[in-house]
Amino acid sequence: NAGVTQTPKFQVLKTGQSMTLQCAQDMNHNSMYWYRQDPGMGLRLIYYSASEGTTDKGEVPNGYNVSRLNKREFSLRLESAAPSQTSVYFCASSELAGLGYGYTFGSGTRLTVV
Amino acid sequence: AQSVTQLGSHVSVSEGALVLLRCNYSSSVPPYLFWYVQYPNQGLQLLLKYTSAATLVKGINGFEAEFKKSETSFHLTKPSAHMSDAAEYFCAVRDSSYKLIFGSGTRLLVRP
Repeated sequence: NAGVTQTPKFQVLKTGQSMTLQCAQDMNHNSMYWYRQDPGMGLRLIYYSASEGTTDKGEVPNGYNVSRLNKREFSLRLESAAPSQTSVYFCASSELAGLGYGYTFGSGTRLTVV
Repeated sequence: AQSVTQLGSHVSVSEGALVLLRCNYSSSVPPYLFWYVQYPNQGLQLLLKYTSAATLVKGINGFEAEFKKSETSFHLTKPSAHMSDAAEYFCAVRDSSYKLIFGSGTRLLVRP
């Protein structure tokens, strides 16, 4: 099925460990996004990539890095995980930034940092 | 700056009753507005969107929303709630850099 695929679905890390969350879309979308979802706070944008070869910070970028590997893939890296990064992470893509297109979301990665 | 406010973090209705989920927005540009639904342990799915065409927008699963510029509102409604509508609903507005800004969400509970 076409869509946005995130791996892994679940992860437990110890404080200070690093990991990379993977995201791939097969809809030929130009723009990709990483959000985190925390109870009562909705979704907050971490980083986004308006097009292949570009990345920009969102609302809550501290502690994260991203790589737009190609048009399909957009990864999120935690270099030194902290308990405050316990959250559900969603990747999303859209056809064109700037137009009235909605996002297509992946099913999420539930991350726990202990 | 663009923002959305969803009034009520939890809404409870009886099956068959009207569903009304409230969303007010702030935008310095003509707004594009969206409603998403999230079922447990799933990602977000687009319900409907307003992109400056008709002010009454119909979406999936019998939901609709009306854009009211004078009230800066984009409330989501459904005439008759079904048990399967129980989920969390998010309103979102496109910001001036073309990203989506989400509200804090409203969890809908449907009582039998």
